Amino acid sequence: DSGVTQTPKHLITATGQRVTLRCSPRSGDLSVYWYQQSLDQGLQFLIQYYNGEERAKGNILERFSAQQFPDLHSELNLSSLELGDSALYFCASSVGPSYTFGSGTRLTVV
Amino acid sequence: AQSVTQPDIHITVSEGASLELRCNYSYGATPYLFWYVQSPGQGLQLLLKYFSGDTLVQGIKGFEAEFKRSQSSFNLRKPSVHWSDAAEYFCAVGARGSNYKLTFGKGTLLTVNP
Repeated sequence: DSGVTQTPKHLITATGQRVTLRCSPRSGDLSVYWYQQSLDQGLQFLIQYYNGEERAKGNILERFSAQQFPDLHSELNLSSLELGDSALYFCASSVGPSYTFGSGTRLTVV
Repeated sequence: AQSVTQPDIHITVSEGASLELRCNYSYGATPYLFWYVQSPGQGLQLLLKYFSGDTLVQGIKGFEAEFKRSQSSFNLRKPSVHWSDAAEYFCAVGARGSNYKLTFGKGTLLTVNP
């Protein structure tokens, strides 16, 4: 157990739907990062939050959004899902440059 | 912008043989460098990291990596590969100036023959 908890582990949904992925960071870590891993794009940075505020944005689609709550857990919302959104979504938390990754949520859009 | 190149998409070695996985990065300042391993269907496990100091870093599972600034490289090595090392390996670069955002290479898939 890395200390970073992601739920659910697997998600199957239909095109056009909306899903929410949840991440609980390691105790004491203020930063949360979201990454998408797909076969064609590899591991891509989506977005970072630090203590509730958005810090950095990567290749995140407008259909995707995220937030970090006062208890520091984070949620990644994916809407109007397309087949190409099928991927493994990782959350990581950190203090400085040392990341701890969660085990990921595998999203399948059918 | 940061970038990472892992030139080898797939490497096959025999069990007991030595291993070197290549990683080249592009970044203006001194980067933070990482190697992660991912087994099928699993998350990312940190093998080792370089922040500063000694350019030869030791990691878990008998892996080591050497930072060579002049070559912008951070190659991963292991003297004797075990069948359980079969997995995908990712090199990543981050920096304080980019909020420690990591940029990953495309990965190298390692197959180990008995």
